[in-house]
Amino acid sequence: EDQVTQSPEALRLQEGESSSLNCSYTVSGLRGLFWYRQDPGKGPEFLFTLYSAGEEKEKERLKATLTKKESFLHITAPKPEDSATYLCAVGGQAGTALIFGKGTTLSVSS
Amino acid sequence: EAGVAQSPRYKIIEKRQSVAFWCNPISGHATLYWYQQILGQGPKLLIQFQNNGVVDDSQLPKDRFSAERLKGVDSTLKIQPAKLEDSAVYLCASTPSTDTQYFGPGTRLTVL
Repeated sequence: EDQVTQSPEALRLQEGESSSLNCSYTVSGLRGLFWYRQDPGKGPEFLFTLYSAGEEKEKERLKATLTKKESFLHITAPKPEDSATYLCAVGGQAGTALIFGKGTTLSVSS
Repeated sequence: EAGVAQSPRYKIIEKRQSVAFWCNPISGHATLYWYQQILGQGPKLLIQFQNNGVVDDSQLPKDRFSAERLKGVDSTLKIQPAKLEDSAVYLCASTPSTDTQYFGPGTRLTVL
């Protein structure tokens, strides 16, 4: 059964304090691993898609990496505006829907 | 480019009442999804459409939920009758292919 586990559930950081969010997954035939950001009262906002182990993608203070079993979302020198819930999802066989984790809620204080 | 549109944004109903949600996907996106997101959880797929045909509705509680996508564009999701456990955010997403999905703002349903 396809499964996604995210840790930690919640993370509090001081502004400028770098850290990483983890996404562990099991899926038969990974089509892609997706990271989304979700602000309160809004729908998930697409951040990255990773397709194969060793792949990395960056956007501003965020960098996503992928291995055969997990993905990390590294946040470098976070700012308060980075506070949100970060969702990880995997896509299995072509045509199947995404399987989401429960998310990590990040709070960055100044 | 306009994003995925959903309405209403909020809805409060009594249990056993019916409710309907509407979604207009990004223009040209053939695939449309409805997800249910319970507080503190990730989105869970309810139904997936490819154009106006159903691809996956295995997790849709068919005794009370129904969905349609007429003419392969807009879609409606209906709940009848609603239960307390249906309180959640209902998200619509679309994609031009079965890859990156783009989400709407969601409809927050409260069942009293």
